Amino acid sequence: QQPVQSPQAVILREGEDAVINCSSSKALYSVHWYRQKHGEAPVFLMILLKGGEQKGHEKISASFNEKKQQSSLYLTASQLSYSGTYFCGTEVGHPPYQGGSEKLVFGKGTKLTVNP
Amino acid sequence: DTEVTQTPKHLVMGMTNKKSLKCEQHMGHRAMYWYKQKAKKPPELMFVYSYEKLSINESVPSRFSPECPNSSLLNLHLHALQPEDSALYLCASSRQTLTDTQYFGPGTRLTVL
Repeated sequence: QQPVQSPQAVILREGEDAVINCSSSKALYSVHWYRQKHGEAPVFLMILLKGGEQKGHEKISASFNEKKQQSSLYLTASQLSYSGTYFCGTEVGHPPYQGGSEKLVFGKGTKLTVNP
Repeated sequence: DTEVTQTPKHLVMGMTNKKSLKCEQHMGHRAMYWYKQKAKKPPELMFVYSYEKLSINESVPSRFSPECPNSSLLNLHLHALQPEDSALYLCASSRQTLTDTQYFGPGTRLTVL
């Protein structure tokens, strides 16, 4: 049930773009994206809900393909502060109630390093 | 105020000790969570409280005992832990359900000797 993230790691120069992918073998109700810096707690970036609703920061964009059970996080014009480990968390659907399972399962993470 | 606080920040305990981790939020959130995170691994869900009632228990060993005294507080009671239980324990809260943002506390770094 754990989602699969790719790539496992990526190194960028400041100003470059990156895409982080998250895929699941289960039908998803919501996808959550978090960033965690070393020694700190995870910080919320984005929630994508089944049906198209999104909640998140203005400078972060992401997509959610419900049919393919995939989500992608787009990081554009990267800054040094973007460095950290990015986790996607997936909440599977809970048919037949059309709701979510209320349980978030995180992928193994993508380590992003932005260099000057 | 979007802060979740956790105490203590660090805890070292023996396998025969009894200790408690505390989590507090004053955002009016009605869902609270305990996660366990080992080094270089993702957080793993342990318990979910919704409206002060335990709604999800991810088959966590009974040496971990959660308690939600009121809507702002969440405790995790620890007894007879094993060295493999050493990890970062994260508390989180959200307004009602997982369709709302989860706010994480800074965590308690637990070492079991």
